[in-house]
Amino acid sequence: GQNIDQPTEMTATEGAIVQINCTYQTSGFNGLFWYQQHAGEAPTFLSYNVLDGLEEKGRFSSFLSRSKGYSYLLLKELQMKDSASYLCAPMDSNYQLIWGAGTKLIIKP
Amino acid sequence: IAGITQAPTSQILAAGRRMTLRCTQDMRHNAMYWYRQDLGLGLRLIHYSNTAGTTGKGEVPDGYSVSRANTDDFPLTLASAVPSQTSVYFCASSLVPDTGELFFGEGSRLTVL
Repeated sequence: GQNIDQPTEMTATEGAIVQINCTYQTSGFNGLFWYQQHAGEAPTFLSYNVLDGLEEKGRFSSFLSRSKGYSYLLLKELQMKDSASYLCAPMDSNYQLIWGAGTKLIIKP
Repeated sequence: IAGITQAPTSQILAAGRRMTLRCTQDMRHNAMYWYRQDLGLGLRLIHYSNTAGTTGKGEVPDGYSVSRANTDDFPLTLASAVPSQTSVYFCASSLVPDTGELFFGEGSRLTVL
């Protein structure tokens, strides 16, 4: 079966760095996507990895290891506005996104 | 620029009633999707459309129907609502099919009593 595993909740301090891990099992693989979702709002696209390695985009970076079925999202210089849920979503062989339940990130001053 | 507009934002509905959730996009995207989001679960795909005039079933299509008469509109209909359809419904679009970069509407919160 297809399965996504990410922590339910994490807490971090403003200005710090946090890493949100995601492990996955899918039928085939066509890339992995990270989305941000603030409470009561729509998900918004953050990043995309299809090859192994690190993709950096400002304060956010995303890493992929296809052989390990593993990805992480790294957030640097945390700001209060980064308090949100972060959704991990690999794409399977049918080009369907398989969504994790999300990691709720709480930022404390 | 509106992007994707969903209506209604919120609705309370009696079981057995028919309900249509509306979704309109102004980005001329070819593909559109309907997801439901429930607490503790990932987004689940209900139906999708890769282009105007075509639709397909997602992971949880039972009890729902869609149509795609033109590029912009993708309504979702619950023919006879049941309490298990209480959820937040998100419409999304993408420029082309088979891409994971989706643009979401603000969601429609539906409660079926």
